[in-house]
Amino acid sequence: NAGVTQTPKFQVLKTGQSMTLQCAQDMNHNSMYWYRQDPGMGLRLIYYSASEGTTDKGEVPNGYNVSRLNKREFSLRLESAAPSQTSVYFCASSDGQFNEKLFFGSGTQLSVL
Amino acid sequence: SQQGEEDPQALSIQEGENATMNCSYKTSINNLQWYRQNSGRGLVHLILIRSNEREKHSGRLRVTLDTSKKSSSLLITASRAADTASYFCATDATGGYQKVTFGTGTKLQVIP
Repeated sequence: NAGVTQTPKFQVLKTGQSMTLQCAQDMNHNSMYWYRQDPGMGLRLIYYSASEGTTDKGEVPNGYNVSRLNKREFSLRLESAAPSQTSVYFCASSDGQFNEKLFFGSGTQLSVL
Repeated sequence: SQQGEEDPQALSIQEGENATMNCSYKTSINNLQWYRQNSGRGLVHLILIRSNEREKHSGRLRVTLDTSKKSSSLLITASRAADTASYFCATDATGGYQKVTFGTGTKLQVIP
């Protein structure tokens, strides 16, 4: 089982560039999440999708957009990257109905210069 | 600010000793979970405790939950060097099952 797959693993952007982080899960999970992790800050929720066709803001949504393309895929887009968005980004999924455990991807390390 | 905060931020113990870390949160919850993160990796689920439970065990892990104090603790007994990792609590607010937010984490070092 692949579980949760994130691409790319590493990315370097210049300020103002745009990019999309891809996430796919093969566990037929209903809920999907995007988090960012900065040193000393733990994980902060950017956006989540409780089910196919819905998306909601998390704790730090500014500067990001998301698309729940289908049940498997949940993408995160940076329209105009800023140095403050330098971080490690994690995608996760869960069955969702009763807040069962989250399964995480291996992360994307993003640097914005 | 984040929903959860772990205490201590860092903990260093000898192999064989017990490790206790605490999590405090701000709003009423449905469930609380604990996760482990090895350096540079994604998070791995350890244990889930529901709001109507007070204690739960899984192998060498013991989790307690006190909803009146909005706090939880994770006890790792007979620690091993392989337990060296960061540990995070995660909660979902009552009425929002799918919005799962994390605390700031405790970095545990187990010295062989």
